[in-house]
Amino acid sequence: KNEVEQSPQNLTAQEGEFITINCSYSVGISALHWLQQHPGGGIVSLFMLSSGKKKHGRLIATINIQEKHSSLHITASHPRDSAVYICAALSGTASKLTFGTGTRLQVTL
Amino acid sequence: ETGVTQSPTHLIKTRGQQVTLRCSSQSGHNTVSWYQQALGQGPQFIFQYYREEENGRGNFPPRFSGLQFPNYSSELNVNALELDDSALYLCASSFRDGQFLHFGNGTRLTVT
Repeated sequence: KNEVEQSPQNLTAQEGEFITINCSYSVGISALHWLQQHPGGGIVSLFMLSSGKKKHGRLIATINIQEKHSSLHITASHPRDSAVYICAALSGTASKLTFGTGTRLQVTL
Repeated sequence: ETGVTQSPTHLIKTRGQQVTLRCSSQSGHNTVSWYQQALGQGPQFIFQYYREEENGRGNFPPRFSGLQFPNYSSELNVNALELDDSALYLCASSFRDGQFLHFGNGTRLTVT
């Protein structure tokens, strides 16, 4: 069993739909990153969370430390949101990232 | 901000050879981490450098080694390349607590 699990693995949505991606982790963490990876490899950090909720534009990320669960929400999805979304748990003195399996999102017109 | 720059972007090597990958970290970041991402999989932590010292290591053999320089740029060296080393190698810089994480675009290594 992976230390960081994501669901769903694949997601197809129509433009405008509300999207939720879930992440559960079994390791102790100091924080959790939500990352976006586009084809070709570039990774962008969307959020770093240690508690509560953060919002940036149409993206919202929440984390429940007690339940070891985080969610990424995309409101009013758009084709340009199509990418792989990865949650990564930050832990240890080395600030090591343990990555989830990723969720491949495709938003169609 | 100059961002995180990795070089080269693509590289083809033969089994048994050695390779050096380079990473220039984001201005002001003192921590660099390296990750290996095999095709279709999530990145795996190789190691991290903080102020020129190795600060943590994942489950990779000693033939994976690294350096961090006084300007916080970094190198990843892989000796005795194996076919399974073919992957995208990602470098990420940050502050030591993981804040303000920035990734490079990666070096795609193919071992034949």
